Amino acid sequence: QVQLVESGGGVVQPGGSLRLSCAASGFTFSNYPMPWIRQAPGKGLEWVAIISYHGANEYYADSVKGRFTISRDNSKNTLYLEMNSLRPEDTAVYYCARDWNLDYWGQGTLVTVSS
Amino acid sequence: DVVMTQSPLSLPVTLGQPASISCSSSQRLVYNDGKTYLNWFQQRPGQSPRRLIYEVSKRDSGVPDRFSGSGSDTDFTLKISRVEAEDVGVYYCMQGTHWPRTFGQGTKVEIK
Repeated sequence: QVQLVESGGGVVQPGGSLRLSCAASGFTFSNYPMPWIRQAPGKGLEWVAIISYHGANEYYADSVKGRFTISRDNSKNTLYLEMNSLRPEDTAVYYCARDWNLDYWGQGTLVTVSS
Repeated sequence: DVVMTQSPLSLPVTLGQPASISCSSSQRLVYNDGKTYLNWFQQRPGQSPRRLIYEVSKRDSGVPDRFSGSGSDTDFTLKISRVEAEDVGVYYCMQGTHWPRTFGQGTKVEIK
């Protein structure tokens, strides 16, 4: 069965950095584009970024462009999100999901940006 | 960006009664391939979102047939024919046609 397991969340000061990972299993990872979605506490859902199946193309929300970098290692079936220059408004649960239309989701990892 | 507007934002429902959520988009959601990429997600309390419906009306595997989706162009609807206790949660529509992808604000379904 499809499984997506995020890790790497935690508490970080404003201006700091964090790298999230998403380990995928139960499907051919290299065949699918993979996105990150986030949800601020008590709020709705927001697309963050998506990377093509081969990693050659990346798309970012304006709110994170220039600060976040999405990447993948198809040999390790793992998706990454490198987050730099973090701001308090980046505080959220970060989910990885599968494909452009989000047919499977992970359980999420909480990122808290606070001094 | 395409704005997705849901209504109502709060929906108290009696068990066994129907429920309906509307979602409208600020642009047409028909893609170049002729398909309309409108999805519905359910987020139960304390859980990750789960996709229920894709391409307006196609149910995902394991989704009860009391859930149905309909609509076209810019106006879409999610219906629950008879609400059960496990349906409590927040429902989101999401357009998958334009970048950036955008979600509706969410509709909270609760039992009266």
